[in-house]
Amino acid sequence: NAGVTQTPKFRVLKTGQSMTLLCAQDMNHEYMYWYRQDPGMGLRLIHYSVGEGTTAKGEVPDGYNVSRLKKQNFLLGLESAAPSQTSVYFCASSFRSYSNQPQHFGDGTRLSIL
Amino acid sequence: GESVGLHLPTLSVQEGDNSIINCAYSNSASDYFIWYKQESGKGPQFIIDIRSNMDKRQGQRVTVLLNKTVKHLSLQIAATQPGDSAVYFCAENISPGKFYFGSGTKLNVKP
Repeated sequence: NAGVTQTPKFRVLKTGQSMTLLCAQDMNHEYMYWYRQDPGMGLRLIHYSVGEGTTAKGEVPDGYNVSRLKKQNFLLGLESAAPSQTSVYFCASSFRSYSNQPQHFGDGTRLSIL
Repeated sequence: GESVGLHLPTLSVQEGDNSIINCAYSNSASDYFIWYKQESGKGPQFIIDIRSNMDKRQGQRVTVLLNKTVKHLSLQIAATQPGDSAVYFCAENISPGKFYFGSGTKLNVKP
């Protein structure tokens, strides 16, 4: 039972480079999320999706784009990486229900921008 | 925007003692709250949740208390063990499927 899987686990980029972080979940969850976590801080929501083909902005969306072409996958893209985007990125997913449901998290992608 | 915060950034307790981690939230319309545990190098793990129509919920060795009057949430861990050492986050549901997280409290359990 894999749960939420993030790829890659570590990456170092140069300023201006682009890359895509992949999140895959095998729990048939409708909702998926991308967060960033900086030292000494909680998780901040970048973008989220309430279903296949839909995305929405979170608290800190600037500099990122996302796509949800398949229900099980949620991609986070950095078109032109900046040092301020050095962070740990977490993907999460949850069921859509008449009542709220907790999120299930991956183990993170550690991204450094030089 | 609305935010969730924590009173104590670091809490040290002796093994076997009870731990209490606090959280203040600011959105009075939030109706669902979650506590997560995050170990080093891992993603947050669900511990316990509570809905706004409750003021207390118990799990295995953990209890969450909700005081809507003062917008306060707490996590109580009974008989704290070394394996409980981690960072604990509260999360507030501000709209369907959307959560805001506090900055976290680090729990250090001394043997």
